Amino acid sequence: QVQLVQSGAEVKKPGSSVKVSCKASGGTFSSYAISWVRQAPGQGLEWMGGIIPMFGIPNYAHKFQGRVTISADESTTTAYMELNSLRSEDTAVYYCARDSRYFDNWGQGTLVTVSS
Amino acid sequence: DIVMTQSPDSLAVSLGERATFNCKSSQSVLYSSNNKNYLAWYQKKPGQPPKLLIYWASTRESGVPERFSGSGSGTDFTLTISSLQAEDVAVYYCQQYFSNLYTFGQGTKLEIK
Repeated sequence: QVQLVQSGAEVKKPGSSVKVSCKASGGTFSSYAISWVRQAPGQGLEWMGGIIPMFGIPNYAHKFQGRVTISADESTTTAYMELNSLRSEDTAVYYCARDSRYFDNWGQGTLVTVSS
Repeated sequence: DIVMTQSPDSLAVSLGERATFNCKSSQSVLYSSNNKNYLAWYQKKPGQPPKLLIYWASTRESGVPERFSGSGSGTDFTLTISSLQAEDVAVYYCQQYFSNLYTFGQGTKLEIK
């Protein structure tokens, strides 16, 4: 069973960047994809993008293209999501998930608060 | 992008009664070469990550109670809870993975009547 453990909550200023990590254990990290999904307060689930660590080529939702970078380090079995040019609307809980096309294992979530 | 539209936005059902959620995609998510519908359903409770309930439109995830079932094909899909339990109060989302740009529906909030 795959377990995904995310980094802790962050408070950021508008215009800055945040990098959230997702440490995987169990399974073969490089062979499955990891996606990132966020949920803003009172809003629905929103897919941001994903990566297959073995190939290292990320895939991004149009909305986040140019502002998000998703990466993975096979040596530490950790995936990362970096979001730039933060604004208040980016305040949300960010989740990583194992991407089997559907998302069958999830991290616990990381709250990112963007506030001046 | 494929747009997923769920209905209704909210639903109130009595305990022990049936709850039905609808999900419509802006284009078919049925892949003709394998006859599979690329659609999943999730349950989301406050403070918890989403939980996968159904994938391939009708395959129940391991450990999910049998009262949850999925149906539909092409562009129209349904999630059914056959006999509502108190612990089923949550928001339910559909997700398409036919396109490699995944999209979710806006969610349906389930409450007890």
